[in-house]
Amino acid sequence: AQTVTQSQPEMSVQEAETVTLSCTYDTSESDYYLFWYKQPPSRQMILVIRQEAYKQQNATENRFSVNFQKAAKSFSLKISDSQLGDAAMYFCAWRAGANSKLTFGKGITLSVRP
Amino acid sequence: DAEITQSPRHKITETGRQVTLACHQTWNHNNMFWYRQDLGHGLRLIHYSYGVQDTNKGEVSDGYSVSRSNTEDLPLTLESAASSQTSVYFCASSGRGQGIREQFFGPGTRLTVL
Repeated sequence: AQTVTQSQPEMSVQEAETVTLSCTYDTSESDYYLFWYKQPPSRQMILVIRQEAYKQQNATENRFSVNFQKAAKSFSLKISDSQLGDAAMYFCAWRAGANSKLTFGKGITLSVRP
Repeated sequence: DAEITQSPRHKITETGRQVTLACHQTWNHNNMFWYRQDLGHGLRLIHYSYGVQDTNKGEVSDGYSVSRSNTEDLPLTLESAASSQTSVYFCASSGRGQGIREQFFGPGTRLTVL
């Protein structure tokens, strides 16, 4: 069975600094997608960034970027110039290419210190 | 604008009662999903549907059922509510076909079973 592991339950970062959230996954599939979702206190699930496994180039969305290491099955999220609004729970998720179901990690709570 | 809504947003019920949580999407998506979120577990898949009259069990389906009579709605029923089903429930939908097929999430329903 596919698993997604987020081993750090909590992290803290100083405003304007950079933080990296780690995620590893286990799969035998060759075609899959990876996602990072943000969940602020409002509970709304917001897609932050996504990566197709067949793409070698790491995805970037403004201050958010990923370090996708396919051989190591690692998919970390880097947040640059952290802002107070980045404080939230972040979930890493995996999906097989031919499938639609998401498998989530347990999440990590990120706090931002002013 | 297309959206996905859930109702009620909060529900308190008693053990043994039948409860139905509504999910309605106007994206015209074929795929719909129900997840539950519990601290330390992330989001776990309960049931999902790939189209009208299609339903499938997810990772934690015991005690839950769904039915899909149209494209827009996938109600989740707790046949006999148990305290272990106290959780936050999320509905999500995605389109069919190749590619990234991002899942869009509803705002969530917080269910308390006393």
